Amino acid sequence: KQEVTQIPAALSVPEGENLVLNCSFTDSAIYNLQWFRQDPGKGLTSLLLIQSSQREQTSGRLNASLDKSSGRSTLYIAASQPGDSATYLCAVGTNAGKSTFGDGTTLTVKP
Amino acid sequence: EAGVAQSPRYKIIEKRQSVAFWCNPISGHATLYWYQQILGQGPKLLIQFQNNGVVDDSQLPKDRFSAERLKGVDSTLKIQPAKLEDSAVYLCASSPPGRQREVQYFGPGTRLLVL
Repeated sequence: KQEVTQIPAALSVPEGENLVLNCSFTDSAIYNLQWFRQDPGKGLTSLLLIQSSQREQTSGRLNASLDKSSGRSTLYIAASQPGDSATYLCAVGTNAGKSTFGDGTTLTVKP
Repeated sequence: EAGVAQSPRYKIIEKRQSVAFWCNPISGHATLYWYQQILGQGPKLLIQFQNNGVVDDSQLPKDRFSAERLKGVDSTLKIQPAKLEDSAVYLCASSPPGRQREVQYFGPGTRLLVL
């Protein structure tokens, strides 16, 4: 059974700092890995999708990497802003479209 | 393009009562998901539909939960009877066919409180 762990559970940083969020998974036989953002009281928004054959994906100030063999992914946020404050979730997916989510990292960026 | 719609947004019921949630996916999206998200945890898949057929319902508590997707469009999730531990946010998501099928689009969720 796939298990996804995200560390830390919460993170508080000053504005402008670069930061890394971590995600680990127990079964390396994944089809893809996604990073999502969730704002309080809202649904999830997909940020980056990495295929199992890829090593990283970039979108603006976000960069996600994937090391399938070691069961790890990181989300790098450059030059953090208060608007980045949210919960970030990673999810590993199968080719049938089933996703297993971690419990998320709640990020607070202080002005 | 309109997003995934869910209603109601909030619901408060007493234990042993029944409740139903409704989801309207993005037009043309073949796959529809229902997730349960307990406070402080990530979403847990309850059921996945492909058009109007069930692909995966292995984590759906079938003694009290049921879901249907009539005509492969809208979907309803029902809980009967509700328990205290059912208090959670119920998220609906949909994904398009073809190469973009891996990207899920989520609705705002229905927040359920069982007293």
